[in-house]
Formats: sequence, C-alpha cells, structure tokens
Amino acid sequence: AQSVAQPEDQVNVAEGNPLTVKCTYSVSGNPYLFWYVQYPNRGLQFLLKYITGDNLVKGSYGFEAEFNKSQTSFHLKKPSALVSDSALYFCAVTYNFNKFYFGSGTKLNVKP
Amino acid sequence: EAQVTQNPRYLITVTGKKLTVTCSQNMNHEYMSWYRQDPGLGLRQIYYSMNVEVTDKGDVPEGYKVSRKEKRNFPLILESPSPNQTSLYFCASSLAAQRVGELFFGEGSRLTVL
Repeated sequence: AQSVAQPEDQVNVAEGNPLTVKCTYSVSGNPYLFWYVQYPNRGLQFLLKYITGDNLVKGSYGFEAEFNKSQTSFHLKKPSALVSDSALYFCAVTYNFNKFYFGSGTKLNVKP
Repeated sequence: EAQVTQNPRYLITVTGKKLTVTCSQNMNHEYMSWYRQDPGLGLRQIYYSMNVEVTDKGDVPEGYKVSRKEKRNFPLILESPSPNQTSLYFCASSLAAQRVGELFFGEGSRLTVL
C-alpha cells in the first residue's frame, strides 16, 4: 500500500535549537513529496516540495527537507526553531498528482 | 486574493439529513480534491477531480458524492450522513496538471452528525 509514516506524534524543542520532523514513505514508483503546516483552526499551508533535482529543498520560513531515496525519507528540518513554528506538520506524497497520501501529522512544540 | 472557500465552516446535523459542503476556488486550477481529517489518521482523500466532469475516488469515498460541473466549484455531498462522517473536511485545489503539485487548502468545514 502506498503510505506515508510520521513516526513521532509530537516533537519538543527549545527555541533556538535545530528541529527535525521525520517522514518516511513507501516505495512505489517515483515519489513527489511535500510538507504542509497547519495552525489551529486553519487549513494546511504549503511549506516545500521535492519534485526532481537537488535532494535538499528549501521552503518557506527557513524550513528545508532532504530527499533520501535509499532510506525512503523526507525529513523536515530547520536550523533554529522559533516559538511561532509551533504547529501541526504533515508530510504528503503523490506518485501521479491525482492521489495524495498524507501522514498522521506531527505536533511541533517550540518552548521559549 | 487567491483562495479556496468552503461553506459552511461549521455544521451540526442529524443522521440521514442530506447536506452539501460547497467549495470554490478563484485560481483557475484544474485539480480539486476533498479530504477528511481525523485525529491520529491525518488527512485522507475522499474524491478528486482532474477537470470539469472528471472525478474519481480517493481512499475513503464511501458515503460521499461529488460533482464538477464548473471549473471553480467542487461540492461534496453527503446523501445520508452517519455519525462516522463526523469530521473536519478540507477542500484543496492545485495546478496538478502541470505537475506543480502543491495544494491550496480551504479553511475547513467541521461537520458533526448526531
């Protein structure tokens, strides 16, 4: 089955420290990978995507992610976390731009 | 302003009473889709549409219908809602046909079926 796994329900990090939110996907063709962020009572907002090319992609608000084909991972990273980064983060994959598969979400808590 | 608009944002209804959640986008996107968000399950795709009059099932289509008569609108229809359809629903659109892919989401519609 095509799926995305976010193994951590919650990630806690202190402000100013680096953060990582993990995502792995099941292999079935060429994946196109995305990260979205959801703030309370809002819809999801696009952060970044990997379509092709450089495995390290940079996105909004200083976030970046690295596509690792051998480990089937697409972890979200940021060098220095902000309290305002606290939100719910979703990884998503598509293989054909028709069906999109989302992970279960990871709640990021950044403490002052 | 580019946006995806869903209505209603909140709805409480009773089992069996037909309802429609509307979705409209002003970005001329070909692709539109519906998702439901449930705790611990993330977002699951209900239906999607690649263009006018072209729709297909996602992962959880049971109990839902859609139509795409106009490019900008993609309503979600619950013919006979049941309590297990209590959820938070999102509509999204994108330029998927150009393989750009990022989805633009509406603000969500929280549905409670009693």
